[in-house]
Amino acid sequence: NAGVTQTPKFQVLKTGQSMTLQCAQDMNHEYMSWYRQDPGMGLRLIHYSVGAGITDQGEVPNGYNVSRSTTEDFPLRLLSAAPSQTSVYFCASSDRGNSPLHFGNGTRLTVT
Amino acid sequence: GESVGLHLPTLSVQEGDNSIINCAYSNSASDYFIWYKQESGKGPQFIIDIRSNMDKRQGQRVTVLLNKTVKHLSLQIAATQPGDSAVYFCGGGKLIFGQGTELSVKP
Repeated sequence: NAGVTQTPKFQVLKTGQSMTLQCAQDMNHEYMSWYRQDPGMGLRLIHYSVGAGITDQGEVPNGYNVSRSTTEDFPLRLLSAAPSQTSVYFCASSDRGNSPLHFGNGTRLTVT
Repeated sequence: GESVGLHLPTLSVQEGDNSIINCAYSNSASDYFIWYKQESGKGPQFIIDIRSNMDKRQGQRVTVLLNKTVKHLSLQIAATQPGDSAVYFCGGGKLIFGQGTELSVKP
């Protein structure tokens, strides 16, 4: 099992550009989520999904869209990048119920 | 709502000493707590978890203690090693994490 795979590892965008951060898991997990990590801020939840076709907002959803058309994939879309979205983004997945999250190794995004 | 936070942003210990990282939570309805370790350049990794019907759970060199009366969670690392240097996060349920404590181990 590859676990949770995030691509790309690094990305530089100009303000106003759009892009999609990819996340895939091969553990048949129902739950998937996106976090951003900024210095001194810990991990903040952007969006999450409890199964295919179901998504919901987390703590900091503005500026981001998600969809969950399959169990395996949970892409995060930035429609119009802003410098405030410069961050490291982590995708995670887990079984339903009380179970730990499995994280990818992150995408480091810089918006200039 | 529920929040889980850590007491100290940094902790420095001598190699071989025991480390204790603390965490407080505010929602007594939470029934599941987790500790994660994040090394530089990587995603957080699961260390140990505990359910609310337990007070203590031990793993290999790590112990998690849960005090429901004061809503406090702690991670104890025995005989701390340089490889334990990382940022440690506590979690409540699936969706909530603290700010992280950076553990530095001095050789």
